[in-house]
Amino acid sequence: EAGVAQSPRYKIIEKRQSVAFWCNPISGHATLYWYQQILGQGPKLLIQFQNNGVVDDSQLPKDRFSAERLKGVDSTLKIQPAKLEDSAVYLCASTGPWTSGGTDTQYFGPGTRLTVL
Amino acid sequence: AQSVTQLDSHVSVSEGTPVLLRCNYSSSYSPSLFWYVQHPNKGLQLLLKYTSAATLVKGINGFEAEFKKSETSFHLTKPSAHMSDAAEYFCVVSDSLTGNQFYFGTGTSLTVIP
Repeated sequence: EAGVAQSPRYKIIEKRQSVAFWCNPISGHATLYWYQQILGQGPKLLIQFQNNGVVDDSQLPKDRFSAERLKGVDSTLKIQPAKLEDSAVYLCASTGPWTSGGTDTQYFGPGTRLTVL
Repeated sequence: AQSVTQLDSHVSVSEGTPVLLRCNYSSSYSPSLFWYVQHPNKGLQLLLKYTSAATLVKGINGFEAEFKKSETSFHLTKPSAHMSDAAEYFCVVSDSLTGNQFYFGTGTSLTVIP
């Protein structure tokens, strides 16, 4: 079974430029997450999708960040314009159907390392 | 509300000695608990998970964790540390009430001394 795919793996941009990240979850996984992980910290949830709907985007800086999952499969996260403090690793994760017996497991992609100069 | 506290930000052990990484959780319902490992410049890899079955959970690479409801703890252990265990470890909690939402601890950095 293929894992969560992300691209690009690395990106360097100047501040005020735009950047986009792509994620393809494990096949059949309904829930998709984007996290921001700043160096030395734990992952911080930016947005959670259930199919093509947003479950939680309370910590997404909506003035500059946007995300979509139009067909309920792959997803794109965009930053426009980027700031220096956006330098981080952006992780994508997915889970399968939520069952009453407990929570499904979250599987992570390799991440995209963004450097803003 | 759900939350996770990792009691140590850094742990150092000598190679071949036991590892103990501590995690306490807060959950208003029956929790699922996870430990993930993150090696430098890598994504997060699942070590093990607890989802209301056996309280002692065995994971990959010789790690195991014990769910103790009375202590609200889910500590990660390994009998003998290996150099390749040096990494960042995250404890994560979720429960069925929150619909597949996950709450991360701040992480524990494990150093293994040769």
